[in-house]
Amino acid sequence: KQEVTQIPAALSVPEGENLVLNCSFTDSAIYNLQWFRQDPGKGLTSLLLIQSSQREQTSGRLNASLDKSSGRSTLYIAASQPGDSATYLCAVLTGGGNKLTFGTGTQLKVEL
Amino acid sequence: SQTIHQWPATLVQPVGSPLSLECTVEGTSNPNLYWYRQAAGRGLQLLFYSVGIGQISSEVPQNLSASRPQDRQFILSSKKLLLSDSGFYLCAWIGTSGRGETQYFGPGTRLLVL
Repeated sequence: KQEVTQIPAALSVPEGENLVLNCSFTDSAIYNLQWFRQDPGKGLTSLLLIQSSQREQTSGRLNASLDKSSGRSTLYIAASQPGDSATYLCAVLTGGGNKLTFGTGTQLKVEL
Repeated sequence: SQTIHQWPATLVQPVGSPLSLECTVEGTSNPNLYWYRQAAGRGLQLLFYSVGIGQISSEVPQNLSASRPQDRQFILSSKKLLLSDSGFYLCAWIGTSGRGETQYFGPGTRLLVL
């Protein structure tokens, strides 16, 4: 059974700091890995998607890496801003593309 | 473009009452549809998924059920709600973007069982 773990569970940083969120998964037979953002009381917004054959994806200040063999992914946020405050969820797609398993998330707060 | 709707947005129900949450998708046909639950302090848990009309797969045994009466409609139901059913319910569908297969999520329904 696939299990996804995210560390840390919560993180508070001053504005402008670079930060790294970690995600690990137990079964390396994944189709892809996604990072989502969730604002309080809202649905999920997809940030980055990495196919199993890729090693990283970049979008603006966000960079996600994937090491499939070791079952790890990191989300790097450069020059953090208060607007980045949210919960970040990592999820892996398995089962021929039918099932998405989520981590418990990292709650990020960027302070002025 | 594709859009996913969920209603109601918020619901407060007494223990033992029935439940019906609805999800509809626009702009696509024959999508794979999913119901997730996010309980307080816990991660997203896949409850049900459907690959077509009348086809439902259950991931977690519980007092909830799902139905897909139409291609773009997915319904989550319960005959008798439990306190533990409280949470944030998200509907999703899977599609292909320029980046590959991805899941798109609805705005969610927040359910509080008292």
